Parts: sequence; structure tokens; C-alpha cells
Amino acid sequence: EIVLTQSPATLSLSPGERATLSCRATQSVSSYLAWYQQKPGQAPRLLIYDASNRATGIPARFSGSGSGTDFTLTISSLEPEDFAVYYCQQRHNWPLTFGGGTKVEIK
Amino acid sequence: EVQLVESGGGLVQPGGSLRLSCAASGFTFSSYSMNWVRQAPGKGLEWISYISSSNTTMYFADSVKGRFTISRDNAKNSLYLQMNSLRAEDTAVYYCARGYCSGGSCYWYYFDSWGQGTLVTVSS
Repeated sequence: EIVLTQSPATLSLSPGERATLSCRATQSVSSYLAWYQQKPGQAPRLLIYDASNRATGIPARFSGSGSGTDFTLTISSLEPEDFAVYYCQQRHNWPLTFGGGTKVEIK
Repeated sequence: EVQLVESGGGLVQPGGSLRLSCAASGFTFSSYSMNWVRQAPGKGLEWISYISSSNTTMYFADSVKGRFTISRDNAKNSLYLQMNSLRAEDTAVYYCARGYCSGGSCYWYYFDSWGQGTLVTVSS
């Protein structure tokens, strides 16, 4: 099973700041990695697929990069609605696995 | 508008069974792969099962293999999860989630539409 480790666990930032979230895999997942956003009491929302492609309707301030074992989600300038938990997920191997999440909180 | 509505959750004793349903609308259900993903209270996401659009291919997480079965009825636009031999660690919100398609390409193992979830509590 591919284990995804996200860091940091919590990121404390102010609106307008840049957020950089990391996801590291225990083995290569090529570019088969997605990012999701989840707000309290809501289902997750797909942001990025195949490492760097924005899903339908996702604002341009969200971008993804990386390949192999190291991936990054960047939010260029945090909006108030971006404070949430973010998860990465790989589709390279079964079982599909998620990272443990990074909480982006208001500083 | 795409809608996924889960039902069937509730309180069940350890060792018991439960059947979850997911009613789909707003898209051609028979054309999409579907999944179940769960989230224990205060914890992260765990994928647990996948079924192809044609009902021919299924996958399970090791944590539920042999205890859970996934099925679908394309005529009824419905997805199901039969859960047997339930354990305390199966307590979670269970989401049904649709595979992602965009611009004519499909990425079956990512999830773009989710239901609101149904809570399963396994406790005596």
C-alpha cells in the first residue's frame, strides 16, 4: 500500500498570503495524484488531478506540481473561503489512498 | 445538477449488518464508475470500494475485504454497500463518490461529486 504523508499538519496563515502544502509518497505514483479541499460538515471537493491539472471550476489561485514521490499544492493568495483541510490522494496503485490532511487555519 | 444522496446509516451492534444506498440524479449514472469513501469522526478520508460503470470490476480496501460488498443497479440509478461483520472501527460517515470525467476524458479513480454522507455507528 502506498502511504501518503502530508506536511505540515497545520498551516497558520493570513488571508492574502501564499500557502504551500506538501504530499510525499512512499513509492512513485508518477503524476497520478489529486488534491481535495474539505470544509467542516461538507464533503470533499476535487481541486487538482494528475498532479497539476485544475478540476472543473477551480480558481486559478490553486496550482499543483510534482511527480514521482513529492508533490505540492500551492494557493497563491489565500481567500477567506480557502481555510479548510486539504487531502492528497493517489491513483497509481490499489488500494487508492489518501494522505492524512493539512489544515489551513487563519492566523 | 449532479446529486448523490446516501441513506441507510444508523446505529448497529458489533457483528451486525447494514446496507447503505446512494441515489444518483442529474447525470447518466450508468456511464460512471462509483466509489465508497469513509471518514471516521475527526479523522481523514479512507477509500473503501470501487465499482465500474458496467458492474464488472470491483475493488476493496483490505480493511473491509471479505466483509463488505459493493453493487449497483443502473436501472434504478443506485449504488449500494452491504456491510457485514461490522466492527467499532467501521464507525464513520460513509460517502458515495463519482469518478471524474472532464473534456471527454475520464479519470475513474478520482472523485468529483460526493454525497452528503451517512453516519454509521457500530457500538453495543
